Amino acid sequence: KAGVTQTPRYLIKTRGQQVTLSCSPISGHRSVSWYQQTPGQGLQFLFEYFSETQRNKGNFPGRFSGRQFSNSRSEMNVSTLELGDSALYLCASGGDRGIEQFFGPGTRLTVL
Amino acid sequence: AQKVTQAQTEISVVEKEDVTLDCVYETRDTTYYLFWYKQPPSGELVFLIRRNSFDEQNEISGRYSWNFQKSTSSFNFTITASQVVDSAVYFCALMDTGRRALTFGSGTRLQVQP
Repeated sequence: KAGVTQTPRYLIKTRGQQVTLSCSPISGHRSVSWYQQTPGQGLQFLFEYFSETQRNKGNFPGRFSGRQFSNSRSEMNVSTLELGDSALYLCASGGDRGIEQFFGPGTRLTVL
Repeated sequence: AQKVTQAQTEISVVEKEDVTLDCVYETRDTTYYLFWYKQPPSGELVFLIRRNSFDEQNEISGRYSWNFQKSTSSFNFTITASQVVDSAVYFCALMDTGRRALTFGSGTRLQVQP
């Protein structure tokens, strides 16, 4: 079974731009969660999608948004990028209960 | 609110030594899950184990073992006969069944010297 894939793996943007990251979960998994990892704040939950609906949300500003498609692939978008958005963004794939959390390789975003 | 504490920021051992990584958690929920993940330099979080709050049996998988004690809210991880390939950052995490969001500890960096 293929694992979780995330694209792109690396991204460099400048302040004020927006960015879209993509995640394809493990085949058969319908839950996709997103996490941000920074040296200062550690690993923090962004949101979870299940069957194209946001099921849970963390404490991030509205600049962070996401969506999920009918094939369970998910995208997250960050608008008006700030320097502090530089981070490793990790996507996790889970079954219907969302308890399994298998992570992808991450997208490393650098904001200049 | 949920909280996970990994008091050991960094541990350095010599190959073949045993090492225990500590994890203490706080939650008001009666049903929850505990996880351990390994993060090698590549960045990917590698799943190691998941336990639910009703199962306090210790678990052993090869050189890895986990000790879950609800009485002390701890879920410690022991690596027996450590190897250089065990060098990584290890994260303990907690999830309540309602929210399905992982709350992570700050991680413990393990360095195994040859």
